[in-house]
Amino acid sequence: AQKVTQAQTEISVVEKEDVTLDCVYETRDTTYYLFWYKQPPSGELVFLIRRNSFDEQNEISGRYSWNFQKSTSSFNFTITASQVVDSAVYFCALSEGSSNTGKLIFGQGTTLQVKP
Amino acid sequence: ETGVTQTPRHLVMGMTNKKSLKCEQHLGHNAMYWYKQSAKKPLELMFVYSLEERVENNSVPSRFSPECPNSSHLFLHLHTLQPEDSALYLCASSQTSGGAYNEQFFGPGTRLTVL
Repeated sequence: AQKVTQAQTEISVVEKEDVTLDCVYETRDTTYYLFWYKQPPSGELVFLIRRNSFDEQNEISGRYSWNFQKSTSSFNFTITASQVVDSAVYFCALSEGSSNTGKLIFGQGTTLQVKP
Repeated sequence: ETGVTQTPRHLVMGMTNKKSLKCEQHLGHNAMYWYKQSAKKPLELMFVYSLEERVENNSVPSRFSPECPNSSHLFLHLHTLQPEDSALYLCASSQTSGGAYNEQFFGPGTRLTVL
């Protein structure tokens, strides 16, 4: 069965600290895609990144970086030198290659609070 | 207008009312989705429309009735709701070509309160 687990419900850090958000997934598909979305207080989910199951290269985009490890079925997200504007709910999601509808399976979300 | 828009942004209704949520996407996509986001629950997929045809219905109660008149518009008709239906309802769109590969773009949501 497909499943995404974000074990951290809430994280609170002080500005400029680094923070890592964990994501563990389960799927039987060999082709799948992993996503991270950010949900600020305004409500809409903002797409951050997509990785496919055949590309385990880590990715860095500014202060954001992602660590994809198939061996542990994890796709963790690190924010370096966090800022108050990073405060939001972050969702990890899975889309299986066998799905022809692009159905996303979301984790429970991690609420990140960055204090000044 | 750009991206995905949803109206109204907030809605309060009684259990006997009938109301509709509207979603419009300006991205040229051909798949649209309804999600429900309740407090302390992960986002739940409700319906998927691809090329205006409903392709997924995730065991949603019949008091929720979707409608997709064209690839740019999606409605969610509500009737005789229960208080537990109070939630944030999010609409999203994507391209169907590429299937699971394509990211979904979300609207800001409608905050629904059922009294």
